[in-house]
Amino acid sequence: EVQLVQSGAEVKKPGESLKISCKGSGYSFTSYWIGWVRQMPGKGLEWMGIIYPGDSDTRYSPSFQGQVTISADKSISTAYLQWSSLKASDTAMYYCARPSGLDPRGYFDYWGQGTLVTVSS
Amino acid sequence: DIQMTQSPSSVSASVGDRVTITCRASQGISSWLAWYQQKPGKAPKLLIYAASSLQSGVPSRFSGSGSGTDFTLTISSLQPEDFATYYCQQANSFPTTFGQGTRLEIK
Repeated sequence: EVQLVQSGAEVKKPGESLKISCKGSGYSFTSYWIGWVRQMPGKGLEWMGIIYPGDSDTRYSPSFQGQVTISADKSISTAYLQWSSLKASDTAMYYCARPSGLDPRGYFDYWGQGTLVTVSS
Repeated sequence: DIQMTQSPSSVSASVGDRVTITCRASQGISSWLAWYQQKPGKAPKLLIYAASSLQSGVPSRFSGSGSGTDFTLTISSLQPEDFATYYCQQANSFPTTFGQGTRLEIK
Protein backbone atom coordinates (compact mmCIF):
# COMPACT_ATOMS: atom_id res chain seq x y z
CA GLU A 1 0.00 0.00 0.00
CA VAL A 2 1.37 3.38 -1.03
CA GLN A 3 1.63 5.75 1.93
CA LEU A 4 3.00 9.26 2.42
CA VAL A 5 3.43 10.10 6.09
CA GLN A 6 4.25 13.68 7.03
CA SER A 7 5.87 15.08 10.13
CA GLY A 8 3.79 16.69 12.85
CA ALA A 9 2.44 20.17 13.34
CA GLU A 10 4.90 22.98 14.01
CA VAL A 11 4.62 26.30 15.82
CA LYS A 12 7.42 28.72 15.04
CA LYS A 13 8.31 32.38 15.40
CA PRO A 14 8.99 34.73 12.48
CA GLY A 15 12.60 34.48 11.36
CA GLU A 16 13.06 30.90 12.53
CA SER A 17 14.01 28.06 10.19
CA LEU A 18 12.00 24.91 9.63
CA LYS A 19 12.21 21.62 7.75
CA ILE A 20 9.17 19.36 7.42
CA SER A 21 9.23 15.85 6.04
CA CYS A 22 7.25 13.35 4.00
CA LYS A 23 8.17 9.67 4.15
CA GLY A 24 7.08 7.43 1.31
CA SER A 25 6.47 3.71 1.58
CA GLY A 26 4.86 0.89 -0.39
CA TYR A 27 6.46 1.86 -3.70
CA SER A 28 9.84 2.58 -5.27
CA PHE A 29 10.60 5.99 -3.76
CA THR A 30 13.25 6.84 -6.34
CA SER A 31 10.94 6.18 -9.30
CA TYR A 32 8.21 8.77 -8.68
CA TRP A 33 8.19 12.53 -8.26
CA ILE A 34 6.95 14.00 -4.98
CA GLY A 35 5.38 17.44 -4.88
CA TRP A 36 4.39 19.96 -2.22
CA VAL A 37 1.09 21.84 -2.09
CA ARG A 38 0.24 24.76 0.19
CA GLN A 39 -3.21 25.52 1.55
CA MET A 40 -3.48 28.73 3.53
CA PRO A 41 -6.27 28.94 6.13
CA GLY A 42 -9.64 28.88 4.42
CA LYS A 43 -8.05 29.10 0.98
CA GLY A 44 -7.39 26.93 -2.06
CA LEU A 45 -4.55 24.69 -3.19
CA GLU A 46 -1.24 26.04 -4.49
CA TRP A 47 1.40 23.89 -6.19
CA MET A 48 4.80 24.81 -4.76
CA GLY A 49 7.27 22.50 -6.43
CA ILE A 50 8.29 18.93 -7.04
CA ILE A 51 11.35 16.69 -6.77
CA TYR A 52 12.45 13.45 -8.37
CA PRO A 53 14.26 11.57 -5.58
CA GLY A 54 16.10 9.39 -8.06
CA ASP A 55 18.35 12.24 -9.19
CA SER A 56 17.11 15.22 -7.09
CA ASP A 57 15.81 17.04 -10.20
CA THR A 58 13.65 19.80 -8.69
CA ARG A 59 11.13 22.20 -10.22
CA TYR A 60 9.61 25.18 -8.43
CA SER A 61 6.61 27.35 -9.05
CA PRO A 62 7.85 30.90 -9.73
CA SER A 63 5.72 31.99 -6.77
CA PHE A 64 7.79 29.85 -4.41
CA GLN A 65 11.22 29.88 -6.08
CA GLY A 66 13.73 31.30 -3.59
CA GLN A 67 11.20 31.16 -0.75
CA VAL A 68 11.51 27.46 0.07
CA THR A 69 13.85 24.55 -0.62
CA ILE A 70 12.69 21.10 -1.62
CA SER A 71 15.04 18.17 -1.09
CA ALA A 72 15.00 14.41 -0.67
CA ASP A 73 17.03 11.69 1.04
CA LYS A 74 16.48 8.54 -0.96
CA SER A 75 18.31 6.43 1.60
CA ILE A 76 15.40 6.92 3.99
CA SER A 77 12.65 7.49 1.37
CA THR A 78 11.92 10.98 2.66
CA ALA A 79 11.25 14.30 0.97
CA TYR A 80 11.61 17.65 2.68
CA LEU A 81 10.30 21.19 2.49
CA GLN A 82 12.33 23.82 4.29
CA TRP A 83 12.38 27.50 5.09
CA SER A 84 15.41 29.50 6.21
CA SER A 85 13.44 32.41 7.65
CA LEU A 86 9.73 31.96 8.27
CA LYS A 87 7.14 34.71 7.92
CA ALA A 88 3.67 34.92 9.38
CA SER A 89 2.34 34.50 5.84
CA ASP A 90 3.86 31.00 5.74
CA THR A 91 1.14 29.88 8.15
CA ALA A 92 -0.65 27.12 6.25
CA MET A 93 -1.27 23.43 5.84
CA TYR A 94 1.38 21.80 3.66
CA TYR A 95 0.72 18.58 1.80
CA CYS A 96 3.12 16.30 0.02
CA ALA A 97 1.64 14.37 -2.88
CA ARG A 98 2.76 11.89 -5.52
CA PRO A 99 1.83 12.13 -9.18
CA SER A 100 0.29 8.99 -10.64
CA GLY A 101 2.84 8.58 -13.39
CA LEU A 102 6.31 9.60 -14.42
CA ASP A 103 5.34 13.12 -15.52
CA PRO A 104 6.10 15.78 -12.89
CA ARG A 105 3.09 17.77 -14.11
CA GLY A 106 0.84 14.82 -13.39
CA TYR A 107 -2.20 14.31 -11.27
CA PHE A 108 -1.70 13.61 -7.57
CA ASP A 109 -3.25 10.27 -6.69
CA TYR A 110 -1.53 9.85 -3.30
CA TRP A 111 -1.38 12.53 -0.62
CA GLY A 112 0.17 12.87 2.80
CA GLN A 113 -2.04 13.78 5.74
CA GLY A 114 -0.72 17.34 5.83
CA THR A 115 1.57 19.28 8.17
CA LEU A 116 0.15 22.40 9.80
CA VAL A 117 2.74 25.15 10.14
CA THR A 118 1.86 28.11 12.36
CA VAL A 119 4.16 31.13 12.43
CA SER A 120 3.37 33.63 15.13
CA SER A 121 5.26 35.92 17.45
CA ASP B 1 1.02 30.62 -15.45
CA ILE B 2 -2.23 29.14 -16.69
CA GLN B 3 -5.16 30.51 -14.68
CA MET B 4 -7.97 28.13 -13.77
CA THR B 5 -11.36 29.67 -12.99
CA GLN B 6 -14.13 27.63 -11.43
CA SER B 7 -17.80 28.46 -11.27
CA PRO B 8 -19.77 28.73 -9.21
CA SER B 9 -17.67 29.47 -6.12
CA SER B 10 -20.33 27.83 -4.03
CA VAL B 11 -23.54 25.93 -4.68
CA SER B 12 -26.33 24.65 -2.49
CA ALA B 13 -28.05 21.43 -3.45
CA SER B 14 -30.09 18.59 -2.02
CA VAL B 15 -29.46 14.87 -1.81
CA GLY B 16 -30.43 13.34 -5.12
CA ASP B 17 -29.82 16.49 -7.15
CA ARG B 18 -27.66 16.63 -10.25
CA VAL B 19 -24.85 19.17 -9.91
CA THR B 20 -22.44 20.54 -12.49
CA ILE B 21 -19.27 22.52 -11.73
CA THR B 22 -17.31 24.20 -14.47
CA CYS B 23 -13.62 25.01 -14.84
CA ARG B 24 -12.15 27.30 -17.49
CA ALA B 25 -8.46 27.51 -18.38
CA SER B 26 -6.88 30.77 -19.50
CA GLN B 27 -5.33 28.92 -22.44
CA GLY B 28 -5.81 25.54 -24.05
CA ILE B 29 -4.73 22.55 -22.00
CA SER B 30 -5.99 19.73 -24.22
CA SER B 31 -7.34 17.14 -21.75
CA TRP B 32 -4.75 17.71 -19.05
CA LEU B 33 -7.24 18.31 -16.30
CA ALA B 34 -8.05 16.68 -12.98
CA TRP B 35 -10.80 17.11 -10.40
CA TYR B 36 -10.30 16.67 -6.65
CA GLN B 37 -12.66 16.49 -3.70
CA GLN B 38 -11.60 17.87 -0.33
CA LYS B 39 -13.44 17.48 2.94
CA PRO B 40 -12.69 19.65 5.99
CA GLY B 41 -9.44 18.67 7.70
CA LYS B 42 -8.58 16.11 5.04
CA ALA B 43 -6.20 15.91 2.10
CA PRO B 44 -7.67 16.27 -1.38
CA LYS B 45 -8.81 13.11 -3.16
CA LEU B 46 -8.38 12.56 -6.89
CA LEU B 47 -11.73 11.92 -8.59
CA ILE B 48 -11.17 12.45 -12.33
CA TYR B 49 -8.00 12.67 -14.41
CA ALA B 50 -7.35 13.34 -18.08
CA ALA B 51 -10.60 15.34 -18.05
CA SER B 52 -12.92 12.33 -18.14
CA SER B 53 -11.22 9.26 -16.67
CA LEU B 54 -12.64 8.04 -13.38
CA GLN B 55 -10.04 7.31 -10.73
CA SER B 56 -10.16 3.79 -9.34
CA GLY B 57 -12.62 3.43 -6.48
CA VAL B 58 -14.54 6.62 -7.25
CA PRO B 59 -18.31 6.16 -7.61
CA SER B 60 -19.70 6.28 -11.13
CA ARG B 61 -22.05 9.16 -10.24
CA PHE B 62 -18.99 11.38 -10.77
CA SER B 63 -18.13 12.21 -14.36
CA GLY B 64 -15.97 14.73 -16.18
CA SER B 65 -15.97 16.18 -19.66
CA GLY B 66 -14.37 18.84 -21.78
CA SER B 67 -11.17 19.66 -23.59
CA GLY B 68 -9.23 22.73 -24.60
CA THR B 69 -10.33 25.46 -22.20
CA ASP B 70 -13.73 24.40 -20.85
CA PHE B 71 -14.39 21.50 -18.52
CA THR B 72 -17.18 20.20 -16.31
CA LEU B 73 -17.53 17.93 -13.32
CA THR B 74 -20.97 16.41 -12.90
CA ILE B 75 -22.37 14.55 -9.93
CA SER B 76 -25.44 12.75 -11.22
CA SER B 77 -27.24 12.13 -7.92
CA LEU B 78 -25.82 13.80 -4.85
CA GLN B 79 -25.17 11.68 -1.82
CA PRO B 80 -24.63 13.00 1.73
CA GLU B 81 -20.90 12.22 1.56
CA ASP B 82 -20.47 14.39 -1.56
CA PHE B 83 -20.82 17.67 0.29
CA ALA B 84 -17.29 19.02 0.12
CA THR B 85 -15.09 21.45 -1.82
CA TYR B 86 -14.05 20.56 -5.37
CA TYR B 87 -10.94 21.74 -7.19
CA CYS B 88 -9.81 21.45 -10.79
CA GLN B 89 -6.11 21.25 -11.68
CA GLN B 90 -4.37 21.70 -15.00
CA ALA B 91 -1.41 19.42 -15.69
CA ASN B 92 -0.53 20.76 -19.13
CA SER B 93 2.40 22.93 -18.14
CA PHE B 94 4.54 24.13 -15.24
CA PRO B 95 3.61 25.30 -12.81
CA THR B 96 0.56 23.10 -12.52
CA THR B 97 -2.27 25.25 -11.17
CA PHE B 98 -5.55 24.72 -9.35
CA GLY B 99 -8.87 26.45 -9.57
CA GLN B 100 -10.03 28.45 -6.58
CA GLY B 101 -12.47 25.77 -5.49
CA THR B 102 -16.23 25.22 -5.47
CA ARG B 103 -17.92 24.61 -2.15
CA LEU B 104 -20.88 22.24 -2.40
CA GLU B 105 -23.25 22.76 0.50
CA ILE B 106 -26.41 21.09 1.67
CA LYS B 107 -29.60 23.02 0.87
